[in-house]
Amino acid sequence: EIVMTQSPATLSVSPGERATLSCRASQSVSSNLAWYQQKPGQAPRLLIYGASTRATGIPARFSGSGSGTEFTLTISSLQSEDFAVYYCQQYNNWPRRMYTFGQGTKLEIK
Amino acid sequence: QVQLQESGPGLVKPSETLSLTCTVSGGSISSYYWSWIRQPAGKGLEWIGRIYTSGSTNYNPSLKSRVTMSVDTSKNQFSLKLSSVTAADTAVYYCARDYQGMDVWGQGTTVTVSS
Repeated sequence: EIVMTQSPATLSVSPGERATLSCRASQSVSSNLAWYQQKPGQAPRLLIYGASTRATGIPARFSGSGSGTEFTLTISSLQSEDFAVYYCQQYNNWPRRMYTFGQGTKLEIK
Repeated sequence: QVQLQESGPGLVKPSETLSLTCTVSGGSISSYYWSWIRQPAGKGLEWIGRIYTSGSTNYNPSLKSRVTMSVDTSKNQFSLKLSSVTAADTAVYYCARDYQGMDVWGQGTTVTVSS
């Protein structure tokens, strides 16, 4: 099983500042990496797929980068609605079709 | 736009089988993969498995012995069965469209395992 590790567990940032969230895979997942945002009581929302492609309707302040085992989600200028929990997820085909999520990073207001 | 809605019992007894259905509206179920994901209260997301509209499936190995997924294209629905449930299976269960990440999600349904 590919293990996804997110850091930090909690990130405190002021509105208007930049936030950088990290995700590491225990083995290469190529670019088969997605990022999700989840607010309390809501389903996750897809932000990024293919490691760097924004999903439909996602603001340009969200960007993803990385490949292989190291990935980053950057939010360039935090808005009040961005404070939430963020999950990464690998969807690589190898060694088997088995999806795994990171444990999440909680982005909170500083 | 495509919307998903989970349905099924909110309370299941230990050792029994959890059964949920996801109804797809606003679009066709055909030619996509569809996944089930769960989330215990206050915890992270766990992928349960996925099904293609042909009926082909992939399951999480940790749950594979207890999971069965099926699809009914005539009703635009797909389903999840999880057998021999315990309290550890108590969670919010989500269905999602599996396309370039999971791009459409249902609102989730809470299932509690308790006698």
